[in-house]
Order: sequence, then structure tokens, then C-alpha cells
Amino acid sequence: GENVEQHPSTLSVQEGDSAVIKCTYSDSASNYFPWYKQELGKGPQLIIDIRSNVGEKKDQRIAVTLNKTAKHFSLHITETQPEDSAVYFCAASPSGSARQLTFGSGTQLTVLP
Amino acid sequence: NAGVTQTPKFQVLKTGQSMTLQCAQDMNHNSMYWYRQDPGMGLRLIYYSASEGTTDKGEVPNGYNVSRLNKREFSLRLESAAPSQTSVYFCASSVGNTGELFFGEGSRLTVL
Repeated sequence: GENVEQHPSTLSVQEGDSAVIKCTYSDSASNYFPWYKQELGKGPQLIIDIRSNVGEKKDQRIAVTLNKTAKHFSLHITETQPEDSAVYFCAASPSGSARQLTFGSGTQLTVLP
Repeated sequence: NAGVTQTPKFQVLKTGQSMTLQCAQDMNHNSMYWYRQDPGMGLRLIYYSASEGTTDKGEVPNGYNVSRLNKREFSLRLESAAPSQTSVYFCASSVGNTGELFFGEGSRLTVL
């Protein structure tokens, strides 16, 4: 089955700096890669996703890049703000199937004021 | 719209006790899921339901049972709780089998 590794497990940045979280996957059949943000005491919420037919996707301060050859994808947050502090999870799935999503272990991002 | 609602939010059980976690969604979604979240392990799928009356095992189904009562409700039952089932449980739903998952706020279960 699929194995998703996520790094780092914790990340602290100064407000205004950029943050990068990286994930690798093992199954070459995976073609859907979402990122979820989990705030304290809440459930995860989808913030951005990418499919394997594109290499990069942006949404305001958030971007995701995908390297299919190397089987890794990354989340980039620019101009970080205190409200970006949360746990971020990457995931991978074949055929976009939610049923077959495999999640990474999570990254605790702390944005220091 | 409340989205996905889980009850209870917190529960403490003794080993061997049983309990049911309730989940309801008001988004008219077809698919519903139960996940458990443990430190350093991300989210792992326990059971999945593609539609009313159907359920399938996920990655970690042992020790759990589920019921898809109707399109809105999907419950998770622990028949004989074990300390290894101490975890935070999340219910989620999606329109179909693909795309965005909508999560509830979680239920923290401690088994002593």
C-alpha cells in the first residue's frame, strides 16, 4: 500500500517569513495530493490540493508543488501570519479516491509574532 | 448548516466497557468515514460507507463496528474497549467517493 512520509514534524517561523513542508509518497499510482489544516480543537480542513497532471498550484499565500518523478510534493506558505499556526497534513490517493487517502504524520507549524 | 456533528466530544471508559460514537452530517453527502488520530501517525481510516446500507473496512477496523443508519448518520461502536483504542476519533463526509473530506470536530476517547 501507499506510504506517505512528512517532514518536518515541527516548524517554527517568524511572522512574515515563508514556511515549507515536504512529503514523499511511495505508490506511483497516486495522482491526487490534498493538504489539510487542523487548528487546535478542530477537525482537519482542506486548504489546497493538486492532481498529477499539473506541477504547481497557487491560492493566495499558499502554493503546492509536485514532482512526480521524485515522488514528492510540498506546501509553501508565504508571508506567514499567526493564524497560520496549526497542524498541517499531506495525503496521497490513487484516482482521487477519498476512500484510499493515506495521510502523512503531520507538521505542527508555529508562527512567532 | 452545522456540517458534520459528532457526539460525545469527550468520553472516559474502563477496559471492557462499550460505547457508541455518533456522527451526523447535514450536507446531503453520500460518503461517510470514521478515522482515528494518534500522535505521530496522522489519520487512519477505520470504516467507510459509500451510501446508506453499505459499509467497508478501512486500514484499522479491528475492535470496531459501524452502522450507516440513514444518509445523514454513521455511528462507530466499540463493543469491548481496550487501552489501545485511546485516541481522537473523527467522522468525515464527502459528496462522492472523490474530492474534499469534511470533518467533524472530533471525539476524544480515553480507555483506562
